[in-house]
Parts: sequence; C-alpha cells; structure tokens
Amino acid sequence: QQQVKQSPQSLIVQKGGISIINCAYENTAFDYFPWYQQFPGKGPALLIAIRPDVSEKKEGRFTISFNKSAKQFSLHIMDSQPGDSATYFCAASLEASGSRLTFGEGTQLTVNP
Amino acid sequence: GAVVSQHPSWVICKSGTSVKIECRSLDFQATTMFWYRQFPKQSLMLMATSNEGSKATYEQGVEKDKFLINHASLTLSTLTVTSAHPEDSSFYICSASRRQYFGPGTRLTVT
Repeated sequence: QQQVKQSPQSLIVQKGGISIINCAYENTAFDYFPWYQQFPGKGPALLIAIRPDVSEKKEGRFTISFNKSAKQFSLHIMDSQPGDSATYFCAASLEASGSRLTFGEGTQLTVNP
Repeated sequence: GAVVSQHPSWVICKSGTSVKIECRSLDFQATTMFWYRQFPKQSLMLMATSNEGSKATYEQGVEKDKFLINHASLTLSTLTVTSAHPEDSSFYICSASRRQYFGPGTRLTVT
C-alpha cells in the first residue's frame, strides 16, 4: 500500500497556540517523510523533513515527531502565527523509487489573531 | 536555494486546443522532474515522472497520449495537454531533483 493518511482536514488555532497535524503511513519501506506548506495559488514549499532513524527533528517553531513502530508522524507548530495560515501536506517517499512522493490529503490551518 | 520556475503561471484555452507548460530548474540540473495536478482543496496527484533523455513514466490512469511530457534537457521539462477539455482544468505543478523543489504552478482553465 502506498497511502498516507492525514488528519485533521482543517484546524483552527489561536495566535500563540500549538498546531498539531498527524499522518499515518502503511508502507514500512518509506524512508523519507517531508512536510510541505502551500499558500493559495502557489506551489508547495518544503518545510521540514525527517528520516526514520530519528524520532524527532526541530527547526525553529516546527517540529516533526516520528513513531516508527506506530507508522505515524506529526508536525507541531509552536507559537502559531496568522502567517502560518496555509495548507499543510505530509508526504512519504522511497528513495530507491527516485523520490516519488505520496502525499497526504492536506490540512487547512487557520491561525486567528 | 534551488529554484524551479513554470511558464505560464496561468492560461485560458478553448476546448479542443493544446497547451504547453514549461518547467525549468534555474540553478541546478535535474535528471528527474515530476508533474502533479491539483484540484481545488485537494491534494497533489502525481501524473508522471519525467526523465531526461528517455520516455516519461506515467501513473496508472493518466493518459500518456493526452498529457505529453518531454524532458529534452537537464533544466527543462514540458507538459503538453492535447485536445484539452473543461475537465482538464486544474492546477499543474512540477517539481525537480531528489529534494522535490516545487514550481509555482500553472493554472489551466479550459472553456
């Protein structure tokens, strides 16, 4: 199976709060898990990515938590800002396949001022 | 950082005509490029993998005779939507390199 399931579909957070988006995958061979941020009318931009040999990766306000045994990974946005309002996609790929990405369904994040 | 451009950014065409979309890697060479389509409020769907100097690999259900892909150089891949119909209206996005740098997308509207 190549599916990646993402939740929630939409999320509303107050400014300064923590935004949490979850993803689950089925293919245990996946070895690269990126998160993308997409603003309306724009292409996705790589936000942060993790490989399965680590359980957590932090870059600024963005953290990926990875649970290999549960086949789940999540994105945490600390101190969420109105400018973070966008659609977020998780993805997974198998490097041997030439980085062919399988995307989650997306999460529409709204951060209220 | 790496930059991927697309041209045009938006295009409106009449039903039955063909439209060509260009994807360029501006500051690196890309032996592999990917083409996606995205409907409003939906995820990205991989259409095909474009390999420089060889035939593209299409995903299941994607008509290769309708969506012609040419990757003639290490910095340019093109997607031609042939005999476009209104149901082909979508946001087309390319990406390049193993890090999957994405282009800004092309909005196609077929009237």
